Amino acid sequence: EVQLLESGGGLVQPGGSLRLSCAASGFTFNIYAMSWVRQAPGKGLEWVSVVSNSGTTTYHTDSVKGRFTISRDNSRNTVYLQMNNLRVEDTALYYCAKGRGAISSCSDSWGQGTLVTVSS
Amino acid sequence: DIQMTQSPSSVSASVGDRVTITCRASQDISAWLAWYQQKAGKAPNLLIYAASTLQSGVPSRFSGSGSGADFTLTINNLQPEDFATYYCQQAHSLPLTFGGGTKVEV
Repeated sequence: EVQLLESGGGLVQPGGSLRLSCAASGFTFNIYAMSWVRQAPGKGLEWVSVVSNSGTTTYHTDSVKGRFTISRDNSRNTVYLQMNNLRVEDTALYYCAKGRGAISSCSDSWGQGTLVTVSS
Repeated sequence: DIQMTQSPSSVSASVGDRVTITCRASQDISAWLAWYQQKAGKAPNLLIYAASTLQSGVPSRFSGSGSGADFTLTINNLQPEDFATYYCQQAHSLPLTFGGGTKVEV
C-alpha cells in the first residue's frame, strides 16, 4: 500500500523559511516523479512543484520560483520542499503526491497534507 | 500556462441522478486530462486519467470523455458518498494546472 507522510508544516512569520518533508513507502520510489500541491483554506487545488524520478529535473509554478526548491533523496525515499521568503499568500495545506510516471503526469496517490501558516 | 475552466462551479443533485461536469482547456491537450474527487477534510483521490481511463478501484458509475480542449466527467446513479468536490487537471505540459473545482451537493 502506498503511503505518503508529510511533515514540517507550522506557523512562520512573513519572510521566514520552512522545509517540508514527505516520507514515502509501499512503492519503488526512484521510478516515479513526485509533486507538491497546495490548497489555501476554502480554496481549490494549486500545483506547486515537481521533481523527476532521478531528481535531476525540477519545475516550480511561477508564484514560487526563486523562493521554493523541491528535491528528493532516493536513498531515504523522501521528497522535500524548501520554502524561503514565505508570504502570507503561501498559507495552505501542502500535499505530497506521487506521479503516475514521468514528470508531467497526474498524481495517483496523495498524503494527508501538512499545514503551513504564514502570519505575523 | 494552460488554463483549465470547469463548469458549473456547483451543482445540486439527488441520489440516483446523473451529473455531468465539464472542463475546458485553453489549448489542445490531446487526452492529457485527469479527474479527482475531494471529500471535505480529505486529500484528493484520482478517479480518471488519460481523459477516459478509470483508476483502479473507482466505481464504474464514473466515466470520462473528450479530447483536444473539451472534456466531461459523468457520474451515473449518484450515490451518497459521491457528494464532494471534483477537479480536472491537465497533464499535457508543465506547470500542471487544475480547474477551479465543481462542488456536487444535495
